[in-house]
Amino acid sequence: ETGVTQTPRHLVMGMTNKKSLKCEQHLGHNAMYWYKQSAKKPLELMFVYSLEERVENNSVPSRFSPECPNSSHLFLHLHTLQPEDSALYLCASSQAGGAGANVLTFGAGSRLTVL
Amino acid sequence: AQKITQTQPGMFVQEKEAVTLDCTYDTSDPSYGLFWYKQPSSGEMIFLIYQGSYDQQNATEGRYSLNFQKARKSANLVISASQLGDSAMYFCAMREGFTGRRALTFGSGTRLQVQP
Repeated sequence: ETGVTQTPRHLVMGMTNKKSLKCEQHLGHNAMYWYKQSAKKPLELMFVYSLEERVENNSVPSRFSPECPNSSHLFLHLHTLQPEDSALYLCASSQAGGAGANVLTFGAGSRLTVL
Repeated sequence: AQKITQTQPGMFVQEKEAVTLDCTYDTSDPSYGLFWYKQPSSGEMIFLIYQGSYDQQNATEGRYSLNFQKARKSANLVISASQLGDSAMYFCAMREGFTGRRALTFGSGTRLQVQP
């Protein structure tokens, strides 16, 4: 596989469930990102990992917990979510520095619905 | 204050015509990068074009060109010879500074519909 792959593509969960979103990149990048895209709102940055270290946490509620076990994988663990957390969650990757840091490559997203 | 402003929620264009999508930005950092992404209904964000703040010439990539007006802080996307497959959401984005840890800030997007 090439590019950035996100699973699952669609997820429906109750407010008491625990689930995880997975992102995998095969581009040799060493920075990974989670963005949230809600209806009629700009993309919101949630987390940034560079060289497997979390370097940015954009005031995200603790019910979202990221994990980056290596430079190719990024997870977003979800627990006790609220209906307003329903959104498209986009993962992206890039080089951590240099000219390659200019371009983020995105996955197709995980569409989350919280009931 | 918004960093990236896209004032056109929706645009229509006839097939084979050119269209300009507006983007203005706000930053005090002398080093920044400007990006345009396309998001079809499938959801994936597709990189189109990049302009660095120090680049002297406007960026071009095939049918895409970026009209960079630094003094006006605008970075409009021009799509020439529109195709039906160009129908999608288009997002303008900015990175401030040139460190890899700076993520992109996105505008609210413009929905482009190409009509046959």
